[in-house]
Amino acid sequence: QSVLTQPPSVSAAPGQKVTISCSGSSSNIGKNYVSWYQQLPGTAPRLLIYDTNKRPSGIPDRFSGSKSGTSATLGITGLQSGDEADFYCGTWDSSLSAWVFGGGTKLTVL
Amino acid sequence: EVQLVQSGAEVKKSGESLKISCKGSGYTFTTYWIAWVRQMPVKGLELMGIINPGDSDTRYSPSFQGQVTISADKSISTAYLQWSSLKASDTAMYYCVRRESNGFDVWGQGTMVTVSS
Repeated sequence: QSVLTQPPSVSAAPGQKVTISCSGSSSNIGKNYVSWYQQLPGTAPRLLIYDTNKRPSGIPDRFSGSKSGTSATLGITGLQSGDEADFYCGTWDSSLSAWVFGGGTKLTVL
Repeated sequence: EVQLVQSGAEVKKSGESLKISCKGSGYTFTTYWIAWVRQMPVKGLELMGIINPGDSDTRYSPSFQGQVTISADKSISTAYLQWSSLKASDTAMYYCVRRESNGFDVWGQGTMVTVSS
């Protein structure tokens, strides 16, 4: 059971927008930055969002991050078939003194 | 190009020892912490521990304390993950990752470890 809760799957049609939620608590998301990772099939994950809402160079602005209270959200606009992947949120948990990841969300582009 | 290159896949038997490696290049290796992340088959990501290659300060996630050893040799820009006695449940893909600010920005290609009982 992950400390951070993500929906197992989300889906949307090409060109549409989708959001992926990451629910935590006051000891993790509530007080620390969140990062998001995309894992395409058969590849290593890559960083999509850090510091809750910043994009590394090379990540298109179709990807965005936000946080409210103890939940974080990854948004993806203009969905493409190549976006199909597993997405993970992550943050520091101050009570556990450990970095934690969400269980992952599989995105299907219909 | 900044990259982390990991050692190749391993097939081992229960009870054997193993040490896998992760070599950094394209940046000053001692400037960034390096973590190890486990991904069991068809499962999510778990951070095992993290090391500062500059002074070898190492922190382990509670679930992995005492189960593995993380080390680094800054003279050759390489971090290591080792087991003294493997179990079948150690079968997984292992990634080394570079920590930047509040995220992990560079990932190795992964090392698949298969342990047979």
